[in-house]
Amino acid sequence: EPEVTQTPSHQVTQMGQEVILRCVPISNHLYFYWYRQILGQKVEFLVSFYNNEISEKSEIFDDQFSVERPDGSNFTLKIRSTKLEDSAMYFCASSEAVGYTFGSGTRLTVV
Amino acid sequence: SQQGEEDPQALSIQEGENATMNCSYKTSINNLQWYRQNSGRGLVHLILIRSNEREKHSGRLRVTLDTSKKSSSLLITASRAADTASYFCASDPPGTYKYIFGTGTRLKVLA
Repeated sequence: EPEVTQTPSHQVTQMGQEVILRCVPISNHLYFYWYRQILGQKVEFLVSFYNNEISEKSEIFDDQFSVERPDGSNFTLKIRSTKLEDSAMYFCASSEAVGYTFGSGTRLTVV
Repeated sequence: SQQGEEDPQALSIQEGENATMNCSYKTSINNLQWYRQNSGRGLVHLILIRSNEREKHSGRLRVTLDTSKKSSSLLITASRAADTASYFCASDPPGTYKYIFGTGTRLKVLA
């Protein structure tokens, strides 16, 4: 069964550093998403991406965040200057139309 | 209250019993999905139910949707210890490019 692949599975970074989280969506999917889940809390929407542009973003997705589809297969989330409160599990998802397939997540720890 | 609230927050049952989790949402929706998440792990898609559907089955899972009450329920029949996980509903309001997740129900099935 096709999968959404996320790398790395766990990243530790110093506060103020830039991080890039990587995702390889399912190949024929057209819609891409990032969500995050702070430990013990609900899953929160960050951004959706279609046709090489952002379709929608949440209030969380401020100027410190950006997304990119640098080639035909990768979809990345960049956090420019990480804060302690960015520590969370970050999930990438893709879809063809309705219904998502999620990746297994990247656990980001900001120290 | 928020779009996507679930009750109970936690549920503990004996193996073999049925587990019912409920989800309420605030706005109209296109679709509603249920996900399972094992502790600290990724989100596993269980069932998608469209707004014009009332009930859907998949193996031991039964999902109902009542759009007049803006609620959905997930029933797991003949539960097993391996069903121990958190269960989330996620709904997508029309005109948006996102799913809004509920707060989740933590299910514990005792062997």
